[in-house]
Amino acid sequence: DAKTTQPNSMESNEEEPVHLPCNHSTISGTDYIHWYRQLPSQGPEYVIHGLTSNVNNRMASLAIAEDRKSSTLILHRATLRDAAVYYCILTGNQFYFGTGTSLTVIP
Amino acid sequence: GAGVSQSPRYKVAKRGQDVALRCDPISGHVSLFWYQQALGQGPEFLTYFQNEAQLDKSGLPSDRFFAERPEGSVSTLKIQRTQQEDSAVYLCASTGTDSYEQYFGPGTRLTVT
Repeated sequence: DAKTTQPNSMESNEEEPVHLPCNHSTISGTDYIHWYRQLPSQGPEYVIHGLTSNVNNRMASLAIAEDRKSSTLILHRATLRDAAVYYCILTGNQFYFGTGTSLTVIP
Repeated sequence: GAGVSQSPRYKVAKRGQDVALRCDPISGHVSLFWYQQALGQGPEFLTYFQNEAQLDKSGLPSDRFFAERPEGSVSTLKIQRTQQEDSAVYLCASTGTDSYEQYFGPGTRLTVT
């Protein structure tokens, strides 16, 4: 299964944009790139996903590199409620979560 | 509608005991996944069902772990002769037809003493 690499932790000031990077150099042509986040003491929740084109939804934007070997989750204005662990995942039938990026939002 | 529910939310077992963890997926969801999440780690895949068929059980760590979904809805993860290393949060997720989005339950925190 293809794996992803993310920084262990990041910090952002409240109401500032946050760019969360993910490397996936072994991605296959059919792998979708998914992002989930996990708030403390909760199960993960879906954020966004894409294949090749950049994607936007009410929660975030996903920017995918042209060679698809990396992607960036963009939170346009971080709030305290966005403090969570963010996982970048490549999907087949299994979801490999890795250890994710722990985002701290500073008020 | 209701989301994915799991029971019990917390379970304490003495080493050597058997435990059964229940997952109620979203009604109509075809696919169901089980994950194990150790403290400070991301969820790790255990097994996957499509309806009642267990299509992938490659993540089950030993033959003490067994999962079933006999009628294609509720699923049970059973751990026999629990060991301390089985202490973790066990997460269940379900997915609808033609959807990649997994909806997770709150998890069951298992502590083996």
